[in-house]
Amino acid sequence: SQQGEEDPQALSIQEGENATMNCSYKTSINNLQWYRQNSGRGLVHLILIRSNEREKHSGRLRVTLDTSKKSSSLLITASRAADTASYFCATDGAGTASKLTFGTGTRLQVTL
Amino acid sequence: DTAVSQTPKYLVTQMGNDKSIKCEQNLGHDTMYWYKQDSKKFLKIMFSYNNKELIINETVPNRFSPKSPDKAHLNLHINSLELGDSAVYFCASSPRQGRQFFGPGTRLTVL
Repeated sequence: SQQGEEDPQALSIQEGENATMNCSYKTSINNLQWYRQNSGRGLVHLILIRSNEREKHSGRLRVTLDTSKKSSSLLITASRAADTASYFCATDGAGTASKLTFGTGTRLQVTL
Repeated sequence: DTAVSQTPKYLVTQMGNDKSIKCEQNLGHDTMYWYKQDSKKFLKIMFSYNNKELIINETVPNRFSPKSPDKAHLNLHINSLELGDSAVYFCASSPRQGRQFFGPGTRLTVL
């Protein structure tokens, strides 16, 4: 299967705590992206990290990329109830055509 | 204004029917996509078009036929619907490479 793996499959934390999600993939990439999906809704792009970058920040989000291990992590700091959603990593494979291969997703529940 | 829109939002139909889902983007992107998300939330690319030209076709049954009348539209026609076609179908668009903008999805239920 070309599907990437995400870990954990589900994560439940309290508001204010940090949430870390991991993603592993199998092939060479141009970039890796993280998306959020609220229940019953479309996907919203969070952050993109290129294959030559190791770390990127955006607000409360921190993404790392280790191409030698073919893995990435997404850290959400100071989580809020509104962060409750499913989070997907997606790799854009090496090549000229943009083709996202999505991971299996992590379901994050943030409780008050 | 919605960047990527899909119609209909919900589609319930009988096995064997033919149906279409429409997608439009007003972002001026050259590339559009169709994805299928199954009941386990696995999301998989089906097709990609760049400037009305098919560039990605992922082992999708030929009952599925995408059509791009212009670069702002990418429609998906499905013939002879089967139970296994039940899923949420997402349209997306992007510049040549980079982040993708997703539509709200079309939930297809085949009875």
